[in-house]
Parts: sequence; C-alpha cells; structure tokens
Amino acid sequence: QKEVEQDPGPLSVPEGAIVSLNCTYSNSAFQYFMWYRQYSRKGPELLMYTYSSGNKEDGRFTAQVDKSSKYISLFIRDSQPSDSATYLCAMDRTDSWGKLQFGAGTQVVVTP
Amino acid sequence: DAGITQSPRHKVTETGTPVTLRCHQTENHRYMYWYRQDPGHGLRLIHYSYGVKDTDKGEVSDGYSVSRSKTEDFLLTLESATSSQTSVYFCAISESAEIAGGNQPQHFGDGTRLSIL
Repeated sequence: QKEVEQDPGPLSVPEGAIVSLNCTYSNSAFQYFMWYRQYSRKGPELLMYTYSSGNKEDGRFTAQVDKSSKYISLFIRDSQPSDSATYLCAMDRTDSWGKLQFGAGTQVVVTP
Repeated sequence: DAGITQSPRHKVTETGTPVTLRCHQTENHRYMYWYRQDPGHGLRLIHYSYGVKDTDKGEVSDGYSVSRSKTEDFLLTLESATSSQTSVYFCAISESAEIAGGNQPQHFGDGTRLSIL
C-alpha cells in the first residue's frame, strides 16, 4: 500500500468554481507538506509549502493540513482555464529529510 | 524559474546501451535529486546528492548510478538500459536546511523523456 494516496481524477469543473483536492497519508513521520502544479510536458512547480496543521493562504490557493486525520487539502478559488493541470501532493519526513513521497497526482480540467 | 537545465530533453535508445542524463543548476544549491515519473506512481526518488561527491540511494535506485563532481552538475547513468527504465526523469534542487534555517522545498527542472526500445 502506498504511503500517500491521491485520487487521479480527472476532476472537471466550470470556470469560477472552487477546486478541492486532497491527499491522505499513513505515516505520522510526515511533517512537511507541499502542493505542486504540473503542466503537460513541464516539471512540477511548487505552489504551497506548509509545516503546521491548519490553513495557509496564498492568493486564490489555500492549503489545509490535518495531522490528526493524516489528511491534506488544496483549494483553488475562482478557478480559471489556466488552472488546468495535474496537481501533486508531496510530503517530507523529519527522519529522512529530502526523500519526498509524492501522490500520483490529480488531473484538473477547468472548462470555460 | 529555478535555474535548472536538464539535457537532453528527449532521447530514444536501445536496450543494453548506456545512457547518461545531465542536470545543471545555477543556484549553487547543496542538494540535488533525480526522480522518475510514471503513470500511476507519481514521482519516485532514484538518487540524491548532499554535496560534491556525496550521494545516496533513493526508493528506486536499482539499475542507476549517479555522480557529482561539481556543485552545479549531477549526472544520472543507466549502465545498461532496459525497457522498464522508459520514463520521464526529473532533476530537483534544494537549499541546505542548515543554511536556510529549516527544511527547504525542492524545485524541479522540466524533465528528460527517455524511451528505451
């Protein structure tokens, strides 16, 4: 069983809607959480990076971490067609720092 | 964009041939990583480096070797390529936690598409 689970989608939403993405994990050693956006034939681009439980906001993006439930979320408000991409969650452990564990990625399609 | 250049961007080769992929960074970051990305698996760590001549294995290191003779360059070698190594390979870099004051996120290059026939 994978340490990090992420629904592959695709997730299709109309322009202007809220996109809700999530990942679950099984190992409580994960303490750092990241969301990356990946456009087709490009490398992953860091969107959000957080350590603490709770919410972190950056423009239209909100990252949420619930360590007690081992669950992280990313919300995209006022979605745009340019948000169409694959979104990857990633996690890092304090006992083996740098060896990121990635989810499989969720493909998001925002339709005009 | 983080100053990361991967070369070549595309390569097609035959089973049994050696292949070397190059990652070049202009950020002077201490840590460099090689990942592969396959459908359904996300990204998986192959090898990483924590300094010149300092490397260690990741999750899927069998069949791969790495070298880092300069801070800016990290090479990934497939000694004898197999069809199961057909994948997209990504290089990533990060600053040293000791210098930056804590765990630092990784930034990625745009990948090398490798096909082994």
